Amino acid sequence: DTGVSQNPRHKITKRGQNVTFRCDPISEHNRLYWYRQTLGQGPEFLTYFQNEAQLEKSRLLSDRFSAERPKGSFSTLEIQRTEQGDSAMYLCASVVGGSPGLNSVAFFGQGTRLTVV
Amino acid sequence: AQSVTQLGSHVSVSEGALVLLRCNYSSSVPPYLFWYVQYPNQGLQLLLKYTTGATLVKGINGFEAEFKKSETSFHLTKPSAHMSDAAEYFCAVSKIQGAQKLVFGQGTRLTINP
Repeated sequence: DTGVSQNPRHKITKRGQNVTFRCDPISEHNRLYWYRQTLGQGPEFLTYFQNEAQLEKSRLLSDRFSAERPKGSFSTLEIQRTEQGDSAMYLCASVVGGSPGLNSVAFFGQGTRLTVV
Repeated sequence: AQSVTQLGSHVSVSEGALVLLRCNYSSSVPPYLFWYVQYPNQGLQLLLKYTTGATLVKGINGFEAEFKKSETSFHLTKPSAHMSDAAEYFCAVSKIQGAQKLVFGQGTRLTINP
């Protein structure tokens, strides 16, 4: 257990429905990342928060995707009008520290596996 | 842009044999380098990292990796494989500055034969 918690662990949804995932990072970590991992591939970066500010978004994050971190603690990732191509493992990671440094190690949660049918 | 190439999507070794997982990276700036392990239906766990200093890095579970700048490589090794080492292994790179987002290779599945 890395201390990063993700809920739910599994989600099956029908195409066209909206889904929301939650990530609770390690409490003193102020940087939070979302990644997406499809079958047989390495994780791909989606977006990054420092405290409550969303500082970077990947081109993978289409208009149907939105992420928030309202109080700089937990984060949510919402997918609207899900498509079968959204089926993947969604991973959250948190990092300690306000600026890059030698201690910048990402701790990953166990992920939320989304299946769109 | 940064990228990572892991040579061999699947590696199979016998229990007790040497484990060698290959990773080459491309980066326009000095990188941070990482190896993560992923067990089925789990998140990623850090094995080891290279930031600065000694190029031979020791990690958990007896793994180590050597940063070779001239070869742009960061291969992962373990002298003697154990059945519990069976998992997916990911090499990753990040920039020292900025968002420090990780760029992962496609992964190598390690199978241990009894």
